[in-house]
Amino acid sequence: QKEVEQNSGPLSVPEGAIASLNCTYSDRGSQSFFWYRQYSGKSPELIMSIYSNGDKEDGRFTAQLNKASQYVSLLIRDSQPSDSATYLCALSGSSNTGKLIFGQGTTLQVKP
Amino acid sequence: GAGVSQSPSNKVTEKGKDVELRCDPISGHTALYWYRQSLGQGLEFLIYFQGNSAPDKSGLPSDRFSAERTGGSVSTLTIQRTQQEDSAVYLCASSLFGSGSSYEQYFGPGTRLTVT
Repeated sequence: QKEVEQNSGPLSVPEGAIASLNCTYSDRGSQSFFWYRQYSGKSPELIMSIYSNGDKEDGRFTAQLNKASQYVSLLIRDSQPSDSATYLCALSGSSNTGKLIFGQGTTLQVKP
Repeated sequence: GAGVSQSPSNKVTEKGKDVELRCDPISGHTALYWYRQSLGQGLEFLIYFQGNSAPDKSGLPSDRFSAERTGGSVSTLTIQRTQQEDSAVYLCASSLFGSGSSYEQYFGPGTRLTVT
């Protein structure tokens, strides 16, 4: 079992729709969870961090964390073509060194 | 303020040569990380620095890889006797602290290494 699992996609949604990206993880000791956006040929850009169970909203983005189910998700409301990118789920694991473990990423395509 | 910077942005080298990749973290960030991303692969952790010490080197793939950090700031990743499988994008990230709640890591633009 991979430490962090994401559906590689592509996930295709129409402009204006809600995009839902999901991630599951195996290390129950994980404390910190992050979503990064990576455009083709560019480096990852941090868009959300979440540390506690529940929802965290920032503009059009909502991160959801459920530690009991070992599940973290990212919702993007009013999706725009500029949101088309690969979204990487990352978590700190239980090592407490700050080292991040990344999923393979989900490619999102927002069609005009 | 200025973000994480890396140099060079691209490096082409011949198999067997040594290369040095440089990372300049965000000012004031005490933690620095190196990752690499190979074509079709996810991001792979290499090494973590807290200040000038490296408490976690577990991701370095072989003894050809080494890294140092001086003055709690700039870091250099050195790959000796490069092999074709070393071809990847090498990414540096920094965070305010390396433990606790301030794990938010910010990435530099990366160095694309091609070994011919």
